[in-house]
Amino acid sequence: EAGVTQFPSHSVIEKGQTVTLRCDPISGHDNLYWYRRVMGKEIKFLLHFVKESKQDESGMPNNRFLAERTGGTYSTLKVQPAELEDSGVYFCASSAQGLAYEQYFGPGTRLTVT
Amino acid sequence: DQQVKQNSPSLSVQEGRISILNCDYTNSMFDYFLWYKKYPAEGPTFLISISSIKDKNEDGRFTVFLNKSAKHLSLHIVPSQPGDSAVYFCAASDRYGGSQGNLIFGKGTKLSVKP
Repeated sequence: EAGVTQFPSHSVIEKGQTVTLRCDPISGHDNLYWYRRVMGKEIKFLLHFVKESKQDESGMPNNRFLAERTGGTYSTLKVQPAELEDSGVYFCASSAQGLAYEQYFGPGTRLTVT
Repeated sequence: DQQVKQNSPSLSVQEGRISILNCDYTNSMFDYFLWYKKYPAEGPTFLISISSIKDKNEDGRFTVFLNKSAKHLSLHIVPSQPGDSAVYFCAASDRYGGSQGNLIFGKGTKLSVKP
């Protein structure tokens, strides 16, 4: 069974540009989460989808971040325009219905904003 | 303000000995706790969890202890192996507060097991 995949693995962009991160969860997992880890700090929750609906987006830093999960399959996280403080590793995780806490993480996308 | 704290950024242990990783939390509403292991360039991998109704959970070489009165949990690895060298994250959640899987993580402790 394929795990959670994320694309790209690395992205280097300039301040003011736009970047879109993609996450493909484990097939059949209704729950999809985005987290972010800024260097040296804790992994922080950004938002949670149940199928295509946003269940909780309380961790989204500001309106420069837009997450979508069309059709309840893969998800994208767009940052527009990117700022220096957006640099970090963005993790996606998924879990099956009823097992919200058994989260399987992807390898992450390392975003560097210069 | 951090709700989950791992005060030791790093820990070095000899192979075969016990590794003890500590975690403190401040939110008394947390009722489910997890440990994740992370290798470089990989995502965190679930290791072991414990519900607040228990004080101990064991899985092979890994045991998690929970002391609710002290708001403290620890992960014991016995015996430690070089392959256990990784960053260990403590995470917590308030399951009945409607979080639905929103995990609160600590900053992690880097464990090095020396042969």
